[in-house]
Amino acid sequence: GAGVSQSPRYKVTKRGQDVTLRCDPISSHATLYWYQQALGQGPEFLTYFNYEAQPDKSGLPSDRFSAERPEGSISTLTIQRTEQRDSAMYRCASSQDLNQPQHFGDGTRLSIL
Amino acid sequence: AQSVTQPDIHITVSEGASLELRCNYSYGATPYLFWYVQSPGQGLQLLLKYFSGDTLVQGIKGFEAEFKRSQSSFNLRKPSVHWSDAAEYFCAVAHNNAGNMLTFGGGTRLMVKP
Repeated sequence: GAGVSQSPRYKVTKRGQDVTLRCDPISSHATLYWYQQALGQGPEFLTYFNYEAQPDKSGLPSDRFSAERPEGSISTLTIQRTEQRDSAMYRCASSQDLNQPQHFGDGTRLSIL
Repeated sequence: AQSVTQPDIHITVSEGASLELRCNYSYGATPYLFWYVQSPGQGLQLLLKYFSGDTLVQGIKGFEAEFKRSQSSFNLRKPSVHWSDAAEYFCAVAHNNAGNMLTFGGGTRLMVKP
C-alpha cells in the first residue's frame, strides 16, 4: 500500500481482556517495527521483524505481549490479560531494509478501562 | 545504555522567527540520527536523517540539522517558522548494530504565535 496502515485506530477494552492490533506495512518493505508510546513521551521500541523472522523481542514489557508476522507482510501485536498500564499509542513502522529509514503508521490508541 | 535527550519540553516562537530544537544523544558507535514530526492525530513523519558525510543535513519543509560529534548533538533548525509547523518533534538515534531500532527522545512540543 501507499503507507503503513494500522487498525483499529482506537480500541477501548476492559482490564483482563485480550487485544490484537494489526499493522499492514508498505508493500515490499522487509522490516517492520512495533513501538509503544505513552502519553507525553517518545515511542519506545517493542520488537521488530525482518521478513518473518523476529530477531529482537527485547522491548516487549512482559510475556503478555507477543507479535507475529507469519508471511513476512502483515503483522499483529497481541496483548493478553490487559492491564491499565498497557494504555498507550501503539505505533508500527516499516522500512525497505535494515539500513533504510522507518515510515510510521498513524498508530492505534489503546485504552484499558 | 543509549539515550536521547531533548531538554526543551515546550517551545513557543512567533511566526516568522527562527527556531532551534535541541537534541543530545549518548551512543557508543557512530550514530544514525533522525528528526521526526508528529502532528495531532497523525503518524510520525521523517523530517531528515544523518547517516554519514556532510554534518549539515537538509530535510523537508525547510528544516535542517547539524551533527556535532564533539557535543553529541543533532539540533534541528528552521530560519522562519510557519504556523503549520506547530507540532511535536522527536529526535531519535538508530542502533545500527541492533536492527536499526530507534531510541527516541521525549519530544519537544512547538507552539507558534501569530
